[in-house]
Parts: sequence; C-alpha cells; structure tokens
Amino acid sequence: EDQVTQSPEALRLQEGESSSLNCSYTVSGLRGLFWYRQDPGKGPEFLFTLYSAGEEKEKERLKATLTKKESFLHITAPKPEDSATYLCAVTGGTSYGKLTFGQGTILTVHP
Amino acid sequence: SQTIHQWPATLVQPVGSPLSLECTVEGTSNPNLYWYRQAAGRGLQLLFYSVGIGQISSEVPQNLSASRPQDRQFILSSKKLLLSDSGFYLCAWGRGLREQFFGPGTRLTVL
Repeated sequence: EDQVTQSPEALRLQEGESSSLNCSYTVSGLRGLFWYRQDPGKGPEFLFTLYSAGEEKEKERLKATLTKKESFLHITAPKPEDSATYLCAVTGGTSYGKLTFGQGTILTVHP
Repeated sequence: SQTIHQWPATLVQPVGSPLSLECTVEGTSNPNLYWYRQAAGRGLQLLFYSVGIGQISSEVPQNLSASRPQDRQFILSSKKLLLSDSGFYLCAWGRGLREQFFGPGTRLTVL
C-alpha cells in the first residue's frame, strides 16, 4: 500500500525566511510525485510533477526536488501570499493513476 | 483550456436525506475522473474513479455511490446521508499516470 508522510504539520515563517517542507513516501514503482497548493475552502492547485530521483522543478519562489525516498519543497524568501496548505501525493505502478495524498503542511508566512 | 465545474458549492442536508453532487469537465475528452473527500481540511481520500462512461471503481466501502452517464460528467450520490458523510468533496480529472486537476469542491454538512 502506498504511503505518504508530510512534515512538519504546520510551519510558521517570517516574510523572507526560507525553509523546506518534507514529503516521505513508500510506493511500489514510483510513477510520479505531485505537489499541490490548497487555499482554505478551495480545491488543490497543481504545482509540480516529479518522475525520477534527481529531478528538480521550479516556479517563482518554489523549488521541488526528489530522491528515492522523499521530496522537498523549498520556499525561498516567502511572502504572505505563499501562506496555504501544501499537499504531496504519489502514484505507483499498480495504482493506475490513483493518487495517495499526505496530510499536508500548513504554511503561514507573517509580514 | 480545460475547466472543471462542481455544484453545488455548499450544501446542508439532514441525516437520512438523499444526495447528488455533480462534476463536469470542459475542454478535454475521455478523461479519467475522480471523487475525493477531504475531512478536517487536510489529506484527501479517494472515493471513486472512472476511466470511461459507465465504468466506476470504488476505493472505500461506504454509504456513497458514483455514476458516469456521459464522458465528461461524474455524479456522486447517496440514498440516505449519515453524519459521517460531512466533508469537502472534490472532483478531479487526469490522464493515465499524470497529474490531476481539481474542481472548486462542494462543502457538505449533514445535520
């Protein structure tokens, strides 16, 4: 069974204070790892897909990296508008596209 | 571009009443469609997925059912709601093992 664990559960940062969110996973034959951003009361917004260890993707202040056991979402010089819940999900070789999600990290960035 | 719609946006229903939530996708054909539930604003639980018209797979035994009467329409139903059915219901579309894109969600409160 695929499993995803995200840490920390909550993270409070000052504006400009860079940090990283962690996503540890167990999956049989990783086919994709996905990062989403979710604002309160809204559906998750797709950020990145990573397919293999060593791969990196960037978008504005966000950078996602992938190893064989975990993924990191690095946030550089965050702004208050980066405050949201960040969700990680995986799909494996036997999942046929079904995503297994972690519980998310609630990020709060204070001005 | 692709767009995914869900309605209603919010719903308050008494215990024992029926339920029908609708999801439609625009701008793509033959998508995989998914229903998720999110409790307490955190991780998503996959409820149903469909790879084609009339093809429904259930992930979790429960009080709910799903149907796909048309290529881009996905419906979540219940004959009698339980208190435990309360939550945030999300519809998503995707292709194969690639990322999924989520709708705005329906907030269901069962009283």
